[in-house]
Amino acid sequence: TQLLEQSPQFLSIQEGENLTVYCNSSSVFSSLQWYRQEPGEGPVLLVTVVTGGEVKKLKRLTFQFGDARKDSSLHITAAQPGDTGLYLCAGAPGNQFYFGTGTSLTVIP
Amino acid sequence: EAGVAQSPRYKIIEKRQSVAFWCNPISGHATLYWYQQILGQGPKLLIQFQNNGVVDDSQLPKDRFSAERLKGVDSTLKIQPAKLEDSAVYLCASTLKGELLTFGSGTRLTVV
Repeated sequence: TQLLEQSPQFLSIQEGENLTVYCNSSSVFSSLQWYRQEPGEGPVLLVTVVTGGEVKKLKRLTFQFGDARKDSSLHITAAQPGDTGLYLCAGAPGNQFYFGTGTSLTVIP
Repeated sequence: EAGVAQSPRYKIIEKRQSVAFWCNPISGHATLYWYQQILGQGPKLLIQFQNNGVVDDSQLPKDRFSAERLKGVDSTLKIQPAKLEDSAVYLCASTLKGELLTFGSGTRLTVV
């Protein structure tokens, strides 16, 4: 049973397009994180959200935590080839981190 | 600050053989995690240590997997005997206060 479901699983877009990745669960999380992972490397933390309804921006990336702290979204504006990678959400119902199913993003130049 | 070190980077073994992975976390990080990541999927938590004690090993297949962190620093993860479905990347991560997880580059295991 997967605690966190991400959608879409795969996404291939042209450079300059916008996209949104979703992370959903039936569980409530004290915090939720987003990571990006490149081939052959471990995931790298992008952001942590802790408050329901919170919105954080990181350059062209916008992260939102759902009001009920059960879901989150990642929006990328004007995607670039450097954004290519596996995007993972991770939730901490306690002090352990459970990862989502992942979204593999490919940005075509 | 040095990152999380893992070795080896790659390992190919035959099924039923044994294998061990090593992790050296960031200095001072009390919490250490081992994750298994099958290609194209998110990492699955195998075991969590706090210093040298096990916090959670509920998803560790204990009939074949074992892990230890004897002195509360380095950790080893062992598989014996390996099965084909154990082919994956094994990631080690550490954290100081529980929020900022820092991952190593992982060990890619192929069981043939």
